[in-house]
Amino acid sequence: DIQMTQSPSFLSASVGDRVTINCKASQNINRYLNWYQQKLGEAPKLLIYNANSLQTGIPSRFSGSGSGTDFTLTISSLQPEDVATYFCLQHNSWPPTFGAGTKLELK
Amino acid sequence: EVKLLESGGGLVQPGGSMRLSCAASGFTFTDFYMNWIRQPAGKAPEWLGFIRNKANGYTTEYNPSVKGRFTISRDNTQNMLYLQMNTLRAEDTATYYCARWSKRGMDAWGQGASVTVSS
Repeated sequence: DIQMTQSPSFLSASVGDRVTINCKASQNINRYLNWYQQKLGEAPKLLIYNANSLQTGIPSRFSGSGSGTDFTLTISSLQPEDVATYFCLQHNSWPPTFGAGTKLELK
Repeated sequence: EVKLLESGGGLVQPGGSMRLSCAASGFTFTDFYMNWIRQPAGKAPEWLGFIRNKANGYTTEYNPSVKGRFTISRDNTQNMLYLQMNTLRAEDTATYYCARWSKRGMDAWGQGASVTVSS
């Protein structure tokens, strides 16, 4: 199975900050990497699919980049409603595997 | 609007069985692969398996970690997805999610059903 190493595990930032979260795959996954946001008690929400495509309805402050083994989710200007856990998913190879998550809080 | 709603979770004894359900709405159910994923508290999600769409004969694939104990099925007349879990162990304790699979990967998830395996 492909291992997804996500960092950092925990992140504290201020409103307006630029925030970056990383996922590293144990082998090449091309661009088959998704990013999800999960708020407490809610369903995970797809933010970015295929590394850099913004899901419909997601604010443009969210963006994704990378290919191969290294990927980044960027929030350009952190908003209070962005407090959540974020995780990545590779869907290049079966079984699909997830990063362990990044818990983002406001400073 | 795409909606997925899991039900059927709760407390079960080790060795017991439980069936989870997922009610789907807002899309043509038979067009999509449907997945089950679980997430133990504080840990990464784990993909459990999927059932293919009508075009691919509704066949199933499983994560080896649960193959033989868990069974995924669907009732396409009711837009329902099921996860039958047998011989449950303490390590199966988790929140269980159903999710739709599209060209964008898993693009819609339910809110999850909590399963606790304990005596």
